[in-house]
Amino acid sequence: NAGVTQTPKFQVLKTGQSMTLQCAQDMNHNSMYWYRQDPGMGLRLIYYSASEGTTDKGEVPNGYNVSRLNKREFSLRLESAAPSQTSVYFCASRATGGTGELFFGEGSRLTVL
Amino acid sequence: GEDVEQSLFLSVREGDSSVINCTYTDSSSTYLYWYKQEPGAGLQLLTYIFSNMDMKQDQRLTVLLNKKDKHLSLRIADTQTGDSAIYFCAEIFTTDSWGKLQFGAGTQVVVTP
Repeated sequence: NAGVTQTPKFQVLKTGQSMTLQCAQDMNHNSMYWYRQDPGMGLRLIYYSASEGTTDKGEVPNGYNVSRLNKREFSLRLESAAPSQTSVYFCASRATGGTGELFFGEGSRLTVL
Repeated sequence: GEDVEQSLFLSVREGDSSVINCTYTDSSSTYLYWYKQEPGAGLQLLTYIFSNMDMKQDQRLTVLLNKKDKHLSLRIADTQTGDSAIYFCAEIFTTDSWGKLQFGAGTQVVVTP
């Protein structure tokens, strides 16, 4: 089972460049999330999508945009990358109800020079 | 700032027991989780506990929940080198589609021979 798939796994950008991180899940989950992970700060929620067609801001949304393209896919876009956005980005998905468990992708390591 | 707090580092000898502690602030949390992150990988659910439980045991893992003090702990018996990882405590208020997990900063566990 593929689970949650993120691309690319690694990316180096120059300040001001734009890029999109792609995420797809094959578990028919309603909710999808984008987190960033920085040393000593744990996981911080950037944006989430409770269901297809809806998106909401999380804790650190500035500098990012998202698109819930369909139930499977949730992309994260950096319009004008800044060094402060150097981080590891994780996409996750969750079914509604049950134990509320999040399923994570393997992460995308982004460096902005 | 985070509502879930953990110590950042724990060193333990192989064969000893590890205890990782976490405090949370939302007394209305429904589920509390422990996730494990191995180097270069995403987070994987290790175990969870429902808020109406005090203890849960799963093989080498024991989770204790003290709701009065809002304290969660994870005990790993007979710690092995493969247990070296970052462990995240997390809570969720509701498992409805709009529920979001709140994570701690993570505890780096290093197992020494």
